[in-house]
Amino acid sequence: AQKITQTQPGMFVQEKEAVTLDCTYDTSDQSYGLFWYKQPSSGEMIFLIYQGSYDEQNATEGRYSLNFQKARKSTNLVISASQLGDSAMYFCAMREASGTYKYIFGTGTRLKVLA
Amino acid sequence: DVKVTQSSRYLVKRTGEKVFLECVQDMDHENMFWYRQDPGLGLRLIYFSYDVKMKEKGDIPEGYSVSREKKERFSLILESASTNQTSMYLCAGGRDRAFNEQFFGPGTRLTVL
Repeated sequence: AQKITQTQPGMFVQEKEAVTLDCTYDTSDQSYGLFWYKQPSSGEMIFLIYQGSYDEQNATEGRYSLNFQKARKSTNLVISASQLGDSAMYFCAMREASGTYKYIFGTGTRLKVLA
Repeated sequence: DVKVTQSSRYLVKRTGEKVFLECVQDMDHENMFWYRQDPGLGLRLIYFSYDVKMKEKGDIPEGYSVSREKKERFSLILESASTNQTSMYLCAGGRDRAFNEQFFGPGTRLTVL
């Protein structure tokens, strides 16, 4: 069965430093997509970055990058040069290519950037 | 700019009331989803729809129903609201392809007294 695990309920990082948010997943499918979303205090979920299971290179989007380790079934989000506006909840999600249309979400990590 | 809107940001209802949460998307997306978000539990899927008049149960459908009469609108119905349905409700839309992201509405924070 699909499962997403985020083991860090909360993280602190100093402004301008890099931070890594962990995410592991479980699936028996060979083809799947992995997603990260940001949820500021306003509540709206914002899509950040995507990694496909067959992508050979780690995804990058501006200051966001993924450390995708397929054999270990992990897809950690790296935020470089943290800014105060990065303080938010971060969710990892997965969708398998076969079967249903469902996305599975982790429980989230609350990141606080310190000035 | 793609948009998903939800009828209310905040809603207060009484136990036993019938509650309608409305979601509208302007992206012409096939798929629409309703989640509830609770602290420490992340997002849990209530129902989703992959076409007009089509619906599938998610992980926690008990106490909820849905309606999708038009492609752009997906309604979540609480037939008889209970206090344990106090939560944040998030609607999302997405393309009918495995590797496309979802687009979320701003959420409705529902309190059932």
